[in-house]
Amino acid sequence: ETGVTQTPRHLVMGMTNKKSLKCEQHLGHNAMYWYKQSAKKPLELMFVYNFKEQTENNSVPSRFSPECPNSSHLFLHLHTLQPEDSALYLCASSPYGQFATNEKLFFGSGTQLSVL
Amino acid sequence: EDQVTQSPEALRLQEGESSSLNCSYTVSGLRGLFWYRQDPGKGPEFLFTLYSAGEEKEKERLKATLTKKESFLHITAPKPEDSATYLCAGMLDSNYQLIWGAGTKLIIKP
Repeated sequence: ETGVTQTPRHLVMGMTNKKSLKCEQHLGHNAMYWYKQSAKKPLELMFVYNFKEQTENNSVPSRFSPECPNSSHLFLHLHTLQPEDSALYLCASSPYGQFATNEKLFFGSGTQLSVL
Repeated sequence: EDQVTQSPEALRLQEGESSSLNCSYTVSGLRGLFWYRQDPGKGPEFLFTLYSAGEEKEKERLKATLTKKESFLHITAPKPEDSATYLCAGMLDSNYQLIWGAGTKLIIKP
């Protein structure tokens, strides 16, 4: 158990649905991240919140919308997704902030998303 | 272009059969090289960080090494519980961003 909790674990949604992924950490970490993991591909960084401020948006389509209401919670709001968005979505946190050299990531178990 | 490549894509070993996983990198400036382990249905779990060529770190049956072009994860006398996907990532000097490899799936047969 890493201390990072993601819900739901599995999600099936239609292309017209709206859903949200939730991530929670009570580790006192200062940075939180959303990653996309597709089979046999490298992890893709989507968004970073560093001390509650969004610092990265790696050309992610607007159908993905992040929200960080406080330092412990991170959401990923989804709407009008495409089948190619089906993947494992991982949340991570790190203790000292995004720009610390020895900054290891603590990952949740992910949400397996299927878009029909 | 900054890139991290892992090989092989998959590796099947008998229990006790030692081997190495490779992570080669071409990045503009490397701040650190990270290794993670990922079990099915879980997120990656941190193993090691290496910062300079020649550095080595060990944990149980795993030893990670770093050169100026690549990193190796050596596994000595592996057990079935070492089966997992092993990911490496290079942290860029310029912006602290991680460039990930696609992983090596390691299967240890009893």
